[in-house]
Amino acid sequence: AQSVTQPDIHITVSEGASLELRCNYSYGATPYLFWYVQSPGQGLQLLLKYFSGDTLVQGIKGFEAEFKRSQSSFNLRKPSVHWSDAAEYFCAVVPTSGTYKYIFGTGTRLKVLA
Amino acid sequence: NAGVTQTPKFQVLKTGQSMTLQCAQDMNHEYMSWYRQDPGMGLRLIHYSVGAGITDQGEVPNGYNVSRSTTEDFPLRLLSAAPSQTSVYFCASRPGLANEQFFGPGTRLTVL
Repeated sequence: AQSVTQPDIHITVSEGASLELRCNYSYGATPYLFWYVQSPGQGLQLLLKYFSGDTLVQGIKGFEAEFKRSQSSFNLRKPSVHWSDAAEYFCAVVPTSGTYKYIFGTGTRLKVLA
Repeated sequence: NAGVTQTPKFQVLKTGQSMTLQCAQDMNHEYMSWYRQDPGMGLRLIHYSVGAGITDQGEVPNGYNVSRSTTEDFPLRLLSAAPSQTSVYFCASRPGLANEQFFGPGTRLTVL
């Protein structure tokens, strides 16, 4: 069955430090890939997406993600974290055939230390 | 555009009561979905719709009903509330199968 794994439930970084959030998926072909962010008490907002082409994609708020086919990964990165980045981050995939249902990971909660 | 709106924002029910969570979008999106979010479990799909008059079950449909009589509205009905349905519910819409989803602000439901 298709699945998405975010191995880190919680991550704590200092403000100004770099960040990498991991996402691995299980699917036979390359799916559509997304990262969403959820601030406390809010709905989810799209950070970036990958459909095809350049494997390094840029998103909003200074985030980027790299698709690695050989590792079935789509890790999210930011060179310098700001206190306002504290939130929960969800990786999601959409299979390219079949029902096209979104499959979400369980999320990574980011804490930023001043 | 208001985007995706959900009402109510908060609701407390007693076991056995029924209620409808409202969801509306003004972006003319064909695809709409309902998710529940529980700690440590991410978002789980309850029901979804690919257009007016067409709905299907997600991974956790038991205890919930949906209908889609118009493109704009996609209400979620709890038939007989149970404490296990205590959760935060999100409605989302998107214009196409593989597009970005737009989420509502959520409804926090507590079943006593």
